[in-house]
Amino acid sequence: QVQLVESGGGVVQPGGSLRLSCAASGFTFNKSAMYWVRQAPGKGLEWMTVLSYDGNNQYYADSVKGRFTISRDNSTNTLYLQMNSLRVEDTAVYFCARDVRQSPARYCSQGVCHYYYYGMDVWGQGTTVTVS
Amino acid sequence: QSALTQPASVSGSPGQSITISCTGVKSNVGNYNLVSWYQQHPDKAPKLIIYESNKRPSGISDRFSASKSGNTASLTISGLQAEDEADYYCCSYAGSSTLVFGGGTKLTVV
Repeated sequence: QVQLVESGGGVVQPGGSLRLSCAASGFTFNKSAMYWVRQAPGKGLEWMTVLSYDGNNQYYADSVKGRFTISRDNSTNTLYLQMNSLRVEDTAVYFCARDVRQSPARYCSQGVCHYYYYGMDVWGQGTTVTVS
Repeated sequence: QSALTQPASVSGSPGQSITISCTGVKSNVGNYNLVSWYQQHPDKAPKLIIYESNKRPSGISDRFSASKSGNTASLTISGLQAEDEADYYCCSYAGSSTLVFGGGTKLTVV
């Protein structure tokens, strides 16, 4: 069945690093844009980053830009999130998710091309990161 | 990247209908028909219930519907059931390959 399974969470000191993994199965991974979304304890969902299906376009929320890096290995159907310079406020459950569309439309503006993103239809169970 | 605005809580009785609003700005909700809605039960992963502003994924009850007008999107749940009690989040494409979530709305079925 279609499934995403995150791993790699744990306890890390402020300033430390951690790499999360998200193993995908049951669908054509290399045709899907992928996301990382987090949820701090008792708080709402926060979009962090998205990576296009081909790995060529990656975008970040301001809160993690320059510290976190999203990547994918389409040969092993795995999504990654490298988290550096971790802060106490990065403590959260981290979810990976898949975009609902496999053929996103593309547009270009001011010399930069983007994909549209439509919604997140498959989610992992989440992995907990505690920075303390 | 300011969050979309949702009411903190709404409530309704079984069988009734409720509507949750999600207010953004022209650069996100107002400019794209790319609003999605998620249901999240405690300690569970979110579940997609609406995408592209008004489309339901396969398997989602037609009791869930959504619309958009200007900078505000709305989710309506009709025929409220006890299992609808959950947190609901809207999310919008915000241009330049970025997305933004709403703060979430806690639905209580009383």
